[in-house]
Amino acid sequence: EAQVTQNPRYLITVTGKKLTVTCSQNMNHEYMSWYRQDPGLGLRQIYYSMNVEVTDKGDVPEGYKVSRKEKRNFPLILESPSPNQTSLYFCASSFEAEADTQYFGPGTRLTVL
Amino acid sequence: GESVGLHLPTLSVQEGDNSIINCAYSNSASDYFIWYKQESGKGPQFIIDIRSNMDKRQGQRVTVLLNKTVKHLSLQIAATQPGDSAVYFCAENRWGAQKLVFGQGTRLTINP
Repeated sequence: EAQVTQNPRYLITVTGKKLTVTCSQNMNHEYMSWYRQDPGLGLRQIYYSMNVEVTDKGDVPEGYKVSRKEKRNFPLILESPSPNQTSLYFCASSFEAEADTQYFGPGTRLTVL
Repeated sequence: GESVGLHLPTLSVQEGDNSIINCAYSNSASDYFIWYKQESGKGPQFIIDIRSNMDKRQGQRVTVLLNKTVKHLSLQIAATQPGDSAVYFCAENRWGAQKLVFGQGTRLTINP
């Protein structure tokens, strides 16, 4: 089944404790992206990747890192999480970056205490 | 700056009626539009898309209309069912931009 998977689905952590949210797609998509979703602010892009080893900042990249060592995986790293990073996170992928449909993962709900 | 907005944050309709969800966009260079459906606890799910060289596209029970003159997009859902209850987002993408710009979403509630 073609899909985007994320792990974990739920995570509660404490301020400053490094964490990684994994994202994987099995559709051979070149483009992958991370979003956060907050009430009243909608979906905002954190980082995106056009292809392996090519990443760039989205609209809200502060406090986050990403890597794209393989085409299928695009982990989101929070080196020192803070409470303002409590949010619902979505990974998405598409064949192309431009004018193409992005397919979303199921989401990761993160709470930073 | 660029924005994609929705006219109403909530919409309630009777089961079996048709629903119309509206979206306005500000960037005249936008050339690709997508409607997503997000059910509670799930990620956005693709419903239908339309490119700027079209003004109408139909899917199963859904129709998207694009009016480039007034920069307006709408999603019509025919014969709404309880399973249509969700938040609906419009999103815009254009050649040269490496991201989707999302609207805030409209929560559609189906009344029995």
